[in-house]
Amino acid sequence: NAGVTQTPKFRILKIGQSMTLQCTQDMNHNYMYWYRQDPGMGLKLIYYSVGAGITDKGEVPNGYNVSRSTTEDFPLRLELAAPSQTSVYFCASSPTSGNIQYFGAGTRLSVL
Amino acid sequence: DAKTTQPTSMDCAEGRAANLPCNHSTISGNEYVYWYRQIHSQGPQYIIHGLKNNETNEMASLIITEDRKSSTLILPHATLRDTAVYYCIVRASSGAGSYQLTFGKGTKLSVIP
Repeated sequence: NAGVTQTPKFRILKIGQSMTLQCTQDMNHNYMYWYRQDPGMGLKLIYYSVGAGITDKGEVPNGYNVSRSTTEDFPLRLELAAPSQTSVYFCASSPTSGNIQYFGAGTRLSVL
Repeated sequence: DAKTTQPTSMDCAEGRAANLPCNHSTISGNEYVYWYRQIHSQGPQYIIHGLKNNETNEMASLIITEDRKSSTLILPHATLRDTAVYYCIVRASSGAGSYQLTFGKGTKLSVIP
């Protein structure tokens, strides 16, 4: 199984540009999450979803949007990229609301 | 969520057991102990979890003290690929109302050849 797949692995954006970070999972998990990790820091939850068509804000949602049209996919949209959004973004999924989450390899984003 | 305390860093010789401690003296009765690790530049990886009994899986063993105020993650035969930051997280089993895993600073384990 591929698990949780994130694309792209790396991206450089100019200030004000927009992009979508892709996340797909093949484990039929209902719950999916987007985190960001700044250098030397822990992970912060951006958005999460408890199932197709249902999303909710996490700790740091400003500047981001998500959608969940299928169980498998949970894309994260950045509108008007800012240098403060330079970070590593991790997508994760879990079969229930429990605390065993499976993470993707991450997308490293630089906004210059 | 209960607060956890871990050493900042540890070294372990390759092939030896790595014992990573975690203190969680304010743990509640319904809170589990979870261990994750993050190898450099990769996403966090779930290792093991437990409530009060010792647990073992293909990756590691988890020893929880009888009073549940501390625990130890044991990697029985550490390899160079086990070099990572190890996180001890204490949470109730259900994430209702809060889905965020809180990763503290963890323990940087360096496996030495």
